Amino acid sequence: RKEVEQDPGPFNVPEGATVAFNCTYSNSASQSFFWYRQDCRKEPKLLMSVYSSGNEDGRFTAQLNRASQYISLLIRDSKLSDSATYLCVVSSASKIIFGSGTRLSIRP
Amino acid sequence: EAGVAQSPRYKIIEKRQSVAFWCNPISGHATLYWYQQILGQGPKLLIQFQNNGVVDDSQLPKDRFSAERLKGVDSTLKIQPAKLEDSAVYLCASSPTGASEAYEQYFGPGTRLTVT
Repeated sequence: RKEVEQDPGPFNVPEGATVAFNCTYSNSASQSFFWYRQDCRKEPKLLMSVYSSGNEDGRFTAQLNRASQYISLLIRDSKLSDSATYLCVVSSASKIIFGSGTRLSIRP
Repeated sequence: EAGVAQSPRYKIIEKRQSVAFWCNPISGHATLYWYQQILGQGPKLLIQFQNNGVVDDSQLPKDRFSAERLKGVDSTLKIQPAKLEDSAVYLCASSPTGASEAYEQYFGPGTRLTVT
């Protein structure tokens, strides 16, 4: 089993829709969690950190479920510009692991 | 604020040749990371420095890869000799904080390596 797993997608949704995807991790000692966004042939950029209590940034909501060992990302009112690959990052004791990413495509 | 700089942006070499990549992190950032990203996969951490000390190099293929950050600022990653499976994008990132947790990392544009 991979240490960090994501559904590769692609998720193809219409503009304005709500879309959510999860990222599961195997190490229960994991301490820090993040979502990064990566556009085609570009470098990853931090989208948001994921806090135990959950957090929201505009149309984006991230949640952590330690009991089931997954993090989630919800995007509301999706825009064409949200089309990208979304990478989850899980770290524990300075070991940093990126998921393989979930591709999201927003259609007009 | 200037971002993370990397060079070269592209490199094509034949297998068994050597190659070196350079990274200049954001000024003042203590932590520097080198990642390998193969097409269709997420970045894989190769090595993490805090200042000029190595924090984690557990996934660095040490028989052919080496990295250094001598003055705690810029860094070089070398592959010698290269194999076909080394074809990937090599990403450098830096972070202002210490090595105990993965804080926000700022990535450079990467070096796209093709080994033929």
